Amino acid sequence: DAGVTQSPTHLIKTRGQQVTLRCSPKSGHDTVSWYQQALGQGPQFIFQYYEEEERQRGNFPDRFSGHQFPNYSSELNVNALLLGDSALYLCASSLIPSPLHFGNGTRLTVT
Amino acid sequence: GQQLNQSPQSMFIQEGEDVSMNCTSSSIFNTWLWYKQDPGEGPVLLIALYKAGELTSNGRLTAQFGITRKDSFLNISASIPSDVGIYFCAGQYENEKLTFGTGTRLTIIP
Repeated sequence: DAGVTQSPTHLIKTRGQQVTLRCSPKSGHDTVSWYQQALGQGPQFIFQYYEEEERQRGNFPDRFSGHQFPNYSSELNVNALLLGDSALYLCASSLIPSPLHFGNGTRLTVT
Repeated sequence: GQQLNQSPQSMFIQEGEDVSMNCTSSSIFNTWLWYKQDPGEGPVLLIALYKAGELTSNGRLTAQFGITRKDSFLNISASIPSDVGIYFCAGQYENEKLTFGTGTRLTIIP
């Protein structure tokens, strides 16, 4: 039983560029959440998707957007990248009310 | 963004010692979760707590949901080398987002 899978594992982008990160949830899960984890800190909530709609959103600018597909997989898009967007981006899936299961993340470096 | 206060920030212990860490919040939660994160990996769920006062064990790990609903504690007994990593608490209200703690880095001294 595959857990949460994310791609790519690492990514290097330049300031001002756009990036798309992908996530496949754990089998049987229908809710996907995205978190940003800066170095040395705990994960910070970006947003959550359920039934292809954004249900909740954290304190992140509109440059951060997402999408959930009918097969429950999800994408995170970040436009106009800033140096401060460098972080580990974690995807988590769940079947509410069960706890979140996390993927191993995508390490984004913005230069 | 908000992070819960987690202490200690780091711990250096010898193999076989017991470990205690805690997490406090200014807000109440109705779910407390404890995760462990190894380098290059995502957080892995260790224990979930759903009721104030609840005490739950998972092998050598024991966690408690504080009576005030604003804190939680994690204990690890007889530590082993594979316990090394960063431990995060996380609080959740209803089915809303998880709010994570600042993390406790556990190091085992040979």
